[in-house]
Amino acid sequence: DADVTQTPRNRITKTGKRIMLECSQTKGHDRMYWYRQDPGLGLRLIYYSFDVKDINKGEISDGYSVSRQAQAKFSLSLESAIPNQTALYFCATLTDNYGYTFGSGTRLTVV
Amino acid sequence: AQKVTQAQTEISVVEKEDVTLDCVYETRDTTYYLFWYKQPPSGELVFLIRRNSFDEQNEISGRYSWNFQKSTSSFNFTITASQVVDSAVYFCALSPYSGGGADGLTFGKGTHLIIQP
Repeated sequence: DADVTQTPRNRITKTGKRIMLECSQTKGHDRMYWYRQDPGLGLRLIYYSFDVKDINKGEISDGYSVSRQAQAKFSLSLESAIPNQTALYFCATLTDNYGYTFGSGTRLTVV
Repeated sequence: AQKVTQAQTEISVVEKEDVTLDCVYETRDTTYYLFWYKQPPSGELVFLIRRNSFDEQNEISGRYSWNFQKSTSSFNFTITASQVVDSAVYFCALSPYSGGGADGLTFGKGTHLIIQP
């Protein structure tokens, strides 16, 4: 099983809909992250969490919210999706040797 | 603020050629981590290397090598004898060393490497 699992892998949603992207990890790492990738822009940090009570905004948090339901789960929500939130979203954990492990990504299309 | 610049948007070479991907960074931190990731067409991010800023030794792993020069704020990546399977987008990234680099990564925009058979 993958260390970091993202669901769904692909999602198409309509403008104005609420959508949640889910991330779970199996290694018990405290620190989890959500990134967004746009073509030609690299990855940018949306939110990160050090534990269930510690949530921090990243570079581009506007229009997003997160929930750390448990140590293993970190969800990203778009309260009212808009087309420019169409992107590839990655969840990541910080491992014990200070490396980052990424999930396989969720490709979100807002129409 | 931190910044990572990968000036080469796209590089195309013929198989077996050597290719170097450039990475220049800016940070006010005196200690930091530098990373390279590979993103093949399938889309996942594959970790290649992490380097501490106080370790300036170059590193070689098979056909891959990395040249870290703190004096020029560069962390370049060379693939020797390139292969078609090396075709991917490559990202350079930076994080502060304090807190174990826990505040997340700052990525460059990536270099799309195309290896032609």
